[in-house]
Amino acid sequence: GAGVSQSPRYKVAKRGQDVALRCDPISGHVSLFWYQQALGQGPEFLTYFQNEAQLDKSGLPSDRFFAERPEGSVSTLKIQRTQQEDSAVYLCASSLGSRDSALDTQYFGPGTRLTVL
Amino acid sequence: AQSVTQLDSHVSVSEGTPVLLRCNYSSSYSPSLFWYVQHPNKGLQLLLKYTSAATLVKGINGFEAEFKKSETSFHLTKPSAHMSDAAEYFCVVNQAGTALIFGKGTTLSVSS
Repeated sequence: GAGVSQSPRYKVAKRGQDVALRCDPISGHVSLFWYQQALGQGPEFLTYFQNEAQLDKSGLPSDRFFAERPEGSVSTLKIQRTQQEDSAVYLCASSLGSRDSALDTQYFGPGTRLTVL
Repeated sequence: AQSVTQLDSHVSVSEGTPVLLRCNYSSSYSPSLFWYVQHPNKGLQLLLKYTSAATLVKGINGFEAEFKKSETSFHLTKPSAHMSDAAEYFCVVNQAGTALIFGKGTTLSVSS
């Protein structure tokens, strides 16, 4: 079946521009996560949704970062007034949202590589 | 707070020889632990996960990992490396059932 998809795969923005990154989770997956992966580093958690509710946004680095999932399916990560330090790969993951969430497996998309010039 | 430490940033092996990628974790309670693999320009793929059912966990592509509570370790092994195993490997701990906490990664190189 179809996995997690993300678009665009690559995005180049000039400093100060706004960008929007899209994530299509696996159909039926309740939970959706965003991670940021800097070059040569492991991914770092940004935010988490259960259906349309944003339950944790503790990883968002600044108020320039905003995520939404209005209908509990597709999610968009928006970055306003991009800065060079925002350059990274942005990964989206989804999971079933099992009752025992510690056992839940997160399935990752291919990521969006953002380069801010 | 939970964390993972991958002890080697780069491991090089010859094809057909064993692979050992080391990971230590820190957790205040019984953790859920995972190994993910990331091939160039591809998404993260789950290799295996520890969920307290058995300390020796078998994953895909011949990989396995052993949970050792006394050593707070979760090392990844494979008896015989293949060229296609060359990739970035991440040891991961699950924080409170939601956010995954990733190690910094180990690059595995396989030579012929």
